[in-house]
Amino acid sequence: AQSVAQPEDQVNVAEGNPLTVKCTYSVSGNPYLFWYVQYPNRGLQFLLKYITGDNLVKGSYGFEAEFNKSQTSFHLKKPSALVSDSALYFCAVRDVRNSGYALNFGKGTSLLVTP
Amino acid sequence: GAGVSQSPSNKVTEKGKDVELRCDPISGHTALYWYRQSLGQGLEFLIYFQGNSAPDKSGLPSDRFSAERTGGSVSTLTIQRTQQEDSAVYLCASSPLRGGGDEQFFGPGTRLTVL
Repeated sequence: AQSVAQPEDQVNVAEGNPLTVKCTYSVSGNPYLFWYVQYPNRGLQFLLKYITGDNLVKGSYGFEAEFNKSQTSFHLKKPSALVSDSALYFCAVRDVRNSGYALNFGKGTSLLVTP
Repeated sequence: GAGVSQSPSNKVTEKGKDVELRCDPISGHTALYWYRQSLGQGLEFLIYFQGNSAPDKSGLPSDRFSAERTGGSVSTLTIQRTQQEDSAVYLCASSPLRGGGDEQFFGPGTRLTVL
């Protein structure tokens, strides 16, 4: 089965410092990987995805992620964190069930950026 | 343009009652998904609609759950004889489904509380 794991329930970082939110995957075949962010009482917002091509993927709000096949990882990064980046972050992988493209999500990582 | 909308935003019901949750996808999106977000289970796939094809119901947790999509647009998720464990945020998403790499666009969710 296609799955992702987010090993950290919470990540704390000071504003202006770089941030990393970790994600590892387990798939058969080529993975389609996604990052979403959820602000309080809001739905999920798409940040970026890896389908094929360059291992470094750039997305919304200055976020980027690096696909590492040997380490089966897809960590989310940002060079300089903002307080407004505080939110819940989900890594997801496309599920190759039957005919659909449903996403299998990680448990989520709560990011707290302090001033 | 308009995003995915869901109604109601909050629903409180008594155990044993039936509830209907509505989703209006982005116009032109052929794929529609329902997910459930709960504290204990994270984000779970429930059901997937693609055009006129038979829906993928493999994620529905019990036969009390059903969903319809009328005219390839609006979808209704129905939960019969609600139980307290059904309390969760129900998220709807749509995508253009040009391919498996399409990101999904999420609505704000319906928070269901079963007393």
